[in-house]
Amino acid sequence: SQTIHQWPATLVQPVGSPLSLECTVEGTSNPNLYWYRQAAGRGLQLLFYSVGIGQISSEVPQNLSASRPQDRQFILSSKKLLLSDSGFYLCAWIRWPSDTEAFFGQGTRLTVV
Amino acid sequence: QKEVEQDPGPLSVPEGAIVSLNCTYSNSAFQYFMWYRQYSRKGPELLMYTYSSGNKEDGRFTAQVDKSSKYISLFIRDSQPSDSATYLCAMSGNSGTYKYIFGTGTRLKVLA
Repeated sequence: SQTIHQWPATLVQPVGSPLSLECTVEGTSNPNLYWYRQAAGRGLQLLFYSVGIGQISSEVPQNLSASRPQDRQFILSSKKLLLSDSGFYLCAWIRWPSDTEAFFGQGTRLTVV
Repeated sequence: QKEVEQDPGPLSVPEGAIVSLNCTYSNSAFQYFMWYRQYSRKGPELLMYTYSSGNKEDGRFTAQVDKSSKYISLFIRDSQPSDSATYLCAMSGNSGTYKYIFGTGTRLKVLA
């Protein structure tokens, strides 16, 4: 069966510090991978998605970047965090075209102080 | 204009009521329409999906898609307190686009 791992679960970082969140998928190959951010009481904002190694599409220009160094690995990064980067970050994978369900990692709750 | 619009609520209804949740969208490339349920501090879980236009029923839940109006709905019959959660619509296109966009979510509270 397929599983998605995301870590860390919680993170408190000072303003101006770097960020690296990692997501890995097991049990599938060539998944479409997605990073979302959810602010308190808000919906999921699509940040980045990737259809293959090294292929990144950015939906919202901001202080974040993403990379996909391996087929099943998706990394969300920032060089200098802002207060507005606080939120709940979720990694998801979808196996197109045979599936329409998004499977989510446990999420990372990031607080920038 | 956002690609997907959803009333954030909150929506409070008495137990047993019929609940109607809706989303509108602007991207005509969307072909897959999903409804997710999210409990606090958890990732969303898929409730139902519909491909293209039409209705789909699963127990107490019915999903409707009207592509001509770019409007989708989720109906919950005989609502229960356990249905209290945030409901998010999501949409994606067919081959050629791999965006998977969520609405802002509607917070639902079913009162016992």
